[in-house]
Amino acid sequence: GQQLNQSPQSMFIQEGEDVSMNCTSSSIFNTWLWYKQDPGEGPVLLIALYKAGKLTSNGRLTAQFGITRKDSFLNISASIPSDVGIYFCAGQLSQFYFGTGTSLTVIP
Amino acid sequence: NAGVTQTPKFQVLKTGQSMTLQCAQDMNHNSMYWYRQDPGMGLRLIYYSASEGTTDKGEVPNGYNVSRLNKREFSLRLESAAPSQTSVYFCASSGVAGYYGYTFGSGTRLTVV
Repeated sequence: GQQLNQSPQSMFIQEGEDVSMNCTSSSIFNTWLWYKQDPGEGPVLLIALYKAGKLTSNGRLTAQFGITRKDSFLNISASIPSDVGIYFCAGQLSQFYFGTGTSLTVIP
Repeated sequence: NAGVTQTPKFQVLKTGQSMTLQCAQDMNHNSMYWYRQDPGMGLRLIYYSASEGTTDKGEVPNGYNVSRLNKREFSLRLESAAPSQTSVYFCASSGVAGYYGYTFGSGTRLTVV
């Protein structure tokens, strides 16, 4: 399958700090998605990216579809305790391929 | 609430036992998927069904079978469970070509002893 490399693997941050994570691949994707997974739950879609080079925002979240179409990043501004969870990127060819996740811990 | 419903939430099997994981969606989605999630491995596609009446293998299909019973339901069967199949299983569904991404169920945590 396609390899999507997510970094960092885990992050421990103070409440109020900004967070940045990214996803890279050797393949060119048509669509990038970012999901968040809470403990014991399934992933929930945060942001969908359809156009290379474009920034898309959803509240405190901002994501970009890399101009090469091989990467994407997700930023979270002013983190809060409920941001805790695992964040997954997903890139689409004929189907979606998922990264290995970034585990985020927010310390109050 | 509308979405994807998976049953059971938890299951413990002995090696060699069989079981079926059930999945149903009420969003009128055409496509449905089964993933497994293992630590450090992300989500890996087991099988998918692009539309009612079709099923295709994903990245890790060995040891599994699926049935697209109707547009709403997509089941995953383990014929002879092995410890390597201990995992969290997620069902997902999507509309046309997954353009708006996938909607996931809350998962089934399976342990094979």
